[in-house]
Amino acid sequence: SQKIEQNSEALNIQEGKTATLTCNYTNYSPAYLQWYRQDPGRGPVFLLLIRENEKEKRKERLKVTFDTTLKQSLFHITASQPADSATYLCALRNSGNTPLVFGKGTRLSVIA
Amino acid sequence: DTAVSQTPKYLVTQMGNDKSIKCEQNLGHDTMYWYKQDSKKFLKIMFSYNNKELIINETVPNRFSPKSPDKAHLNLHINSLELGDSAVYFCASSQDGRELFGYTFGSGTRLTVV
Repeated sequence: SQKIEQNSEALNIQEGKTATLTCNYTNYSPAYLQWYRQDPGRGPVFLLLIRENEKEKRKERLKVTFDTTLKQSLFHITASQPADSATYLCALRNSGNTPLVFGKGTRLSVIA
Repeated sequence: DTAVSQTPKYLVTQMGNDKSIKCEQNLGHDTMYWYKQDSKKFLKIMFSYNNKELIINETVPNRFSPKSPDKAHLNLHINSLELGDSAVYFCASSQDGRELFGYTFGSGTRLTVV
């Protein structure tokens, strides 16, 4: 069966450190993978997309890697700040008109 | 100017009632979606509409019926509400060919069935 797994339900790190979140998938052949941020009481907000032929993507303090052999994406936040505390969701779709399928998310807490 | 707006934000209703949630997007996107987020925060696709046509209908009870009067609106009507329908419902939209911009979500409708 198809699965998207974000291994950690919750992750606590100290301010200034790099947070690394993991997304693994099985029985998908995604054309791309996306990462979203969700704050309590709000809808998910799109952060980054990485395509299957890209190894790495950066945006400010965010970095995403995509390894189609391992079927894994890593999401990094460098120099983390308390304002980065939120739930981070990975999402992917196969080709065609299929909508995004989301992982269960990792709740990140950055402690000052 | 809100890009994807949902109403109401909160909805408390009794079992057996019928209710609707409205969604509007002003982004000119081609496709709109309804997602359900349960108590465990798992976000699950319910419906997808592209240019007013249903293109995906996941295994959702037929008590749920999406209605799209035009490309900018996608409403969700729920008949005979059950306790298990309690969740947060998110509307989202996207533009075909513009995956780099991701989906834009509304702020959600928290439905509580008592």
